[in-house]
Amino acid sequence: GQNIDQPTEMTATEGAIVQINCTYQTSGFNGLFWYQQHAGEAPTFLSYNVLDGLEEKGRFSSFLSRSKGYSYLLLKELQMKDSASYLCAVLDSNYQLIWGAGTKLIIKP
Amino acid sequence: DGGITQSPKYLFRKEGQNVTLSCEQNLNHDAMYWYRQDPGQGLRLIYYSQIVNDFQKGDIAEGYSVSREKKESFPLTVTSAQKNPTAFYLCASTSGEGQAGELFFGEGSRLTVL
Repeated sequence: GQNIDQPTEMTATEGAIVQINCTYQTSGFNGLFWYQQHAGEAPTFLSYNVLDGLEEKGRFSSFLSRSKGYSYLLLKELQMKDSASYLCAVLDSNYQLIWGAGTKLIIKP
Repeated sequence: DGGITQSPKYLFRKEGQNVTLSCEQNLNHDAMYWYRQDPGQGLRLIYYSQIVNDFQKGDIAEGYSVSREKKESFPLTVTSAQKNPTAFYLCASTSGEGQAGELFFGEGSRLTVL
């Protein structure tokens, strides 16, 4: 079967750095997405990785290792507004998205 | 401004009633999707449509129906056959092939069955 694993919840301090991991086992791979979702709101796109390596976009970076079936989202200089759920999703061989359950990130002052 | 509009934001339904959730987009996207989100689970695909007058079942289509008569509109009907309809429903669209492109989501509709 296809599976995406993410930690259920993480806590970090304002101004610090946090890494949210995502491991996947899917039938084929055509890319990996990260979305941010504030409570009760719609998900918004953060990043897309299809090649190995690190993609940096401001305070957020996303890393991919296809051989290990692993990705992480790195958030720097954490702000209170970063409190949200972070969803990992993999595009399989049929170009269908497989979604993880999401990681709820709690930022403390 | 371009975007996706879902309505209503909150909806209450009695058991045995059908309800229809509206989804309208002005992004000129061909592909539209309906997802269901439950606590502690990933998004699950209900139905999707790549072009007008065509749609496909997703992973959990039982108890739901859709139509795609216009490019801009993709309404979802939750029928009385859906055993556990209380959930957060998200509509999305993309210009990419399959789900390869960035998904743009509506604000969601929260359905509660009384």
